[in-house]
Amino acid sequence: DTGVSQDPRHKITKRGQNVTFRCDPISEHNRLYWYRQTLGQGPEFLTYFQNEAQLEKSRLLSDRFSAERPKGSFSTLEIQRTEQGDSAMYLCASSIIRGRGRNEQFFGPGTRLTVL
Amino acid sequence: AQSVTQLGSHVSVSEGALVLLRCNYSSSVPPYLFWYVQYPNQGLQLLLKYTTGATLVKGINGFEAEFKKSETSFHLTKPSAHMSDAAEYFCAVIHTGFQKLVFGTGTRLLVSP
Repeated sequence: DTGVSQDPRHKITKRGQNVTFRCDPISEHNRLYWYRQTLGQGPEFLTYFQNEAQLEKSRLLSDRFSAERPKGSFSTLEIQRTEQGDSAMYLCASSIIRGRGRNEQFFGPGTRLTVL
Repeated sequence: AQSVTQLGSHVSVSEGALVLLRCNYSSSVPPYLFWYVQYPNQGLQLLLKYTTGATLVKGINGFEAEFKKSETSFHLTKPSAHMSDAAEYFCAVIHTGFQKLVFGTGTRLLVSP
């Protein structure tokens, strides 16, 4: 399978704990995106990377959130001191920079976070 | 600022009937437009996209959409619904020079036998 993968698929945690999610993009894709989807809503943009550089962050990404893509391959999204409002599906997507499919973002299966 | 409006949070059709899911966008210049489908507890799958060129675009699973600049619309259609089409459908836009997709709130398609 050469699609976008995310780990874990589900995470249940207690309020105040830290959590970390991982995303592995399609291997030749330079851009990597994180989105958050709450129940009954469409996904909302959080941040994106081009190679290892984080080029844009949404105001939704509070100080408790940090994302990294250290070697321009996989990415991690960490949430510190989780709150119940962080409960959501966290989606990762990737795309290429140039070429015919450069505007297409391919999504992973998501990580569903539940904060108790 | 871009925004996307999907009329109808739920659409119900009978198997074999026409599917029409509505999407209108707001943008100062024509954006790139997308339709994604999401099955329960899964990520999003691209159905089709419009960037430039022909305004009627065909996608996977028999879906198609038409970009109408004058109406700022990009409605999704399928001539004959199948039970397997039951899912959540999201319209999204992206503006040239930006990288983030802006999604509508989604339309849940229900297909009855």
